[in-house]
Amino acid sequence: AQSVTQPDIHITVSEGASLELRCNYSYGATPYLFWYVQSPGQGLQLLLKYFSGDTLVQGIKGFEAEFKRSQSSFNLRKPSVHWSDAAEYFCAVASNTGNQFYFGTGTSLTVIP
Amino acid sequence: GAGVSQTPSNKVTEKGKYVELRCDPISGHTALYWYRQSLGQGPEFLIYFQGTGAADDSGLPNDRFFAVRPEGSVSTLKIQRTERGDSAVYLCASSLSSGPSHEQFFGPGTRLTVL
Repeated sequence: AQSVTQPDIHITVSEGASLELRCNYSYGATPYLFWYVQSPGQGLQLLLKYFSGDTLVQGIKGFEAEFKRSQSSFNLRKPSVHWSDAAEYFCAVASNTGNQFYFGTGTSLTVIP
Repeated sequence: GAGVSQTPSNKVTEKGKYVELRCDPISGHTALYWYRQSLGQGPEFLIYFQGTGAADDSGLPNDRFFAVRPEGSVSTLKIQRTERGDSAVYLCASSLSSGPSHEQFFGPGTRLTVL
């Protein structure tokens, strides 16, 4: 069965610092992987996704993620964090049919000035 | 254009009551999903529609939960005999079609509180 682990419940970074949010997945075949962001009062927004091909994927708002099959990881990165990036971040893996998404428990990001 | 909308935004009910939660997907989106997000957790899949039919309802926790999408657009999630454990944010998402290559667009959710 598919599952996603986000080991960090909460992360605090200074504005302008780099960011890495961890995601580990469990899946038997090549996974479909996603990162979503959820701001207070807002719906989940897709940041980026990986299906196949280049293991480094670029997303919106300056985010990128790298798929590492050997480590079963899909970590999210941003070189310089902005105060507006403070939000909850969710990693997700899709099922075989792609119609069921399995989300991690999320990482809450706080950005300090 | 308009995104996915959900009504009501908040619903408070008493244990044992019946509730209906509504989702208006993006126009033209044939796939519609319901998720439940409990406090401190990620969204949990409940059910998925392709058109009018429930293509996968394996995530519904028990037979108190039911969802319909009679005309292939608006969907209603129905919960009978509500329990305190049903308290959560219920999220709806829609996509142009089914499958992971089609981005799911999420609504803001309905926060259900069962007293």
